[in-house]
Amino acid sequence: NAGVTQTPKFQVLKTGQSMTLQCAQDMNHEYMSWYRQDPGMGLRLIHYSVGAGITDQGEVPNGYNVSRSTTEDFPLRLLSAAPSQTSVYFCASSPTLSGTPFRGYTFGSGTRLTVV
Amino acid sequence: AQTVTQSQPEMSVQEAETVTLSCTYDTSESDYYLFWYKQPPSRQMILVIRQEAYKQQNATENRFSVNFQKAAKSFSLKISDSQLGDAAMYFCAIYSGGSNYKLTFGKGTLLTVNP
Repeated sequence: NAGVTQTPKFQVLKTGQSMTLQCAQDMNHEYMSWYRQDPGMGLRLIHYSVGAGITDQGEVPNGYNVSRSTTEDFPLRLLSAAPSQTSVYFCASSPTLSGTPFRGYTFGSGTRLTVV
Repeated sequence: AQTVTQSQPEMSVQEAETVTLSCTYDTSESDYYLFWYKQPPSRQMILVIRQEAYKQQNATENRFSVNFQKAAKSFSLKISDSQLGDAAMYFCAIYSGGSNYKLTFGKGTLLTVNP
C-alpha cells in the first residue's frame, strides 16, 4: 500500500546507545519530517527536508541527526540516547506547495522508543 | 509564529450523541490551513477534516463538521451521532505558510465514547 513506512514500531535502548529510525515513502513527496509526541505536549517538529540533499532543523533538534540522500528515505539518527528522548516518533510527508493547496501530512504509524 | 490551544484535555460523550471539541489558534498570516487529526489507540494519525482560511464555508466530512470563526480565531470540531470508534485523541493543527511546511499542533483532547 502507498504511504509512509516507519521501522521499527517499538525499540528499547540503553542510555548512550545510538540507533536509526527508518522512514520511507512511495508517494514521491518532496517534503518529509520527523515529529516527536510526548504526553501533554502535542507533536513537536525535530527535523525536516524539502527534497533530496536538503535538511533543516525544527524546534527540538538537539540529539538527533537526519540526512536525505533520496526522495524516498528520511532516516532519523539518535547519536547518544538519553532518557529524555523516550517518546513516540512520527515521520510525515507531503507534496510541497506548487500552486496547489496544502492538504496536510501523510503520517507513518509511529515508533515508540524507550531509553532506559 | 503560530500557536494552537486546545483547552479541553478530556471530553466524554454518550454513543449517538453530539460532542464539540474546542480549538483556538493564533497566527499573523491571513492565509492558512487548519486541520483536525484523530489518533486512536492504534497510534496512527488520521486526517479528519481540513479548512482553508479563505473559505468562509465550514468544512464537513460525513458526521464531522467544523465551526470556523476566523475573526475569533476559533476552529471547533463537531462530531454528530458519536460512535464507539470515535474514541481517540484529537489534535487541532495549523499551517500558516513558510518554507518549513510546519504544522503546529495543539496538545490534544482525549475523547471517550460511552456505550
